[in-house]
Amino acid sequence: SQTIHQWPATLVQPVGSPLSLECTVEGTSNPNLYWYRQAAGRGLQLLFYSVGIGQISSEVPQNLSASRPQDRQFILSSKKLLLSDSGFYLCAWSAGWDRATYEQYFGPGTRLTVT
Amino acid sequence: SQQGEEDPQALSIQEGENATMNCSYKTSINNLQWYRQNSGRGLVHLILIRSNEREKHSGRLRVTLDTSKKSSSLLITASRAADTASYFCATDATSNNDMRFGAGTRLTVKP
Repeated sequence: SQTIHQWPATLVQPVGSPLSLECTVEGTSNPNLYWYRQAAGRGLQLLFYSVGIGQISSEVPQNLSASRPQDRQFILSSKKLLLSDSGFYLCAWSAGWDRATYEQYFGPGTRLTVT
Repeated sequence: SQQGEEDPQALSIQEGENATMNCSYKTSINNLQWYRQNSGRGLVHLILIRSNEREKHSGRLRVTLDTSKKSSSLLITASRAADTASYFCATDATSNNDMRFGAGTRLTVKP
C-alpha cells in the first residue's frame, strides 16, 4: 500500500533562517506531488506541484521553492523565512496528472511557526 | 484564490443528528471533491462527484451536485462524535483544470 511521509512534524524557526521540509512517498511510481499551505482556519493554497523528477510548477510567487531530486521525494525550501510563512504545510500525491480527477492523498503535515 | 466556498463556517450538532454542509463555486467545473481534516492532520479524501452526476453515496455520506446553481452539499447521517472535523470541498475549473479548496466547515458533534 502507498504511504506518504512528511517531516518534521513541527518546526519553530526565526525570521531570516532557511527552511527545508521533506516529503516522501512509498508504494507507487511516478506520482504527481503537491505542496500546500494552510493558514489557521483557512483552506488550502497550492504552492507547487510536480509531474516528474526535476519538473516543478509554481502556483504563487513567494520566497519558497520546491525541488524533486528523486521520483518519490519532494522538498520545500526557503533561503530566508518571513513571518508570513507560518502555517501548516501539507504534501500530497496523486496517481494522475489531472489532479481534479484523481483523488489526492495527504501527508500528516508540518506545523511551521516563524518567530 | 479559492473557488469553493463552504457554508456554514461552523456547525455544532448532537450525536445522532444529521449534518449538512454546502459548497458553492463560481466557474464551470469538471468535478467536485469533498475532503475531511481532523485537527492538525492531513486531509482525507471522502468522495468525488463528476459534473454529470447529481448524487453520490458512500456509507453515511451523501453528496449532491447542482451544476445549474453551482453548488454541492455533503450530508452526514446519524453523526458520531468521531465525525468532528473540518470538511472541505475542492473544485476544478474547466478553463484551467486547476483544483481549489474552500475554507472549510468546522463540524462539532457533541456526544
